[in-house]
Amino acid sequence: AQSVTQLDSQVPVFEEAPVELRCNYSSSVSVYLFWYVQYPNQGLQLLLKYLSGSTLVKGINGFEAEFNKSQTSFHLRKPSVHISDTAEYFCAVSDFRGSNYKLTFGKGTLLTVNP
Amino acid sequence: DTEVTQTPKHLVMGMTNKKSLKCEQHMGHRAMYWYKQKAKKPPELMFVYSYEKLSINESVPSRFSPECPNSSLLNLHLHALQPEDSALYLCASSQLTGVRTGELFFGEGSRLTVL
Repeated sequence: AQSVTQLDSQVPVFEEAPVELRCNYSSSVSVYLFWYVQYPNQGLQLLLKYLSGSTLVKGINGFEAEFNKSQTSFHLRKPSVHISDTAEYFCAVSDFRGSNYKLTFGKGTLLTVNP
Repeated sequence: DTEVTQTPKHLVMGMTNKKSLKCEQHMGHRAMYWYKQKAKKPPELMFVYSYEKLSINESVPSRFSPECPNSSLLNLHLHALQPEDSALYLCASSQLTGVRTGELFFGEGSRLTVL
């Protein structure tokens, strides 16, 4: 079964600083990777996804991620964060089991943007 | 604004009560999901419905009983719950290929407290 590991449980940064949230996945023949964001007291929202093609994926709110097959990584980046980016970020992988795909989440990284 | 609506937003129940959580979507999606999320943890898949039929049950205790009366509605019936079942319950929907593409649309969740 596929899995993802988020290397940092918490990342504090100052406003307008760059940020990188790290995610590594277990190796497989094909892999579909995603980043979701969860703002306080809300559900999850898809930030971006990698299915195939270009390894640099751009998402909403100025976030981007790079799929690196040799390092089995899918790190999320933003060049300049805002206070409003404070949220929990989940890396996720789609896994085919039996007759269904299943989305499995990493443990999450809490991004806190300080003024 | 989320297009997946969950009610109630908050629910407090005793261990002998029977209650239900409801989820509704009008995006024409034919797959619907229940996830359970404990505090500071990632969402964990409970059930998946495809074309109103249960396709995945992640070994969830029988005190949780899902129901999909039509393509727009998903219920989770609760009976004889334990305090450890207290959590945020998230509903999501997608096109049937949604799990592979990661295009899950989440509601804001129902926060359940079992006394």
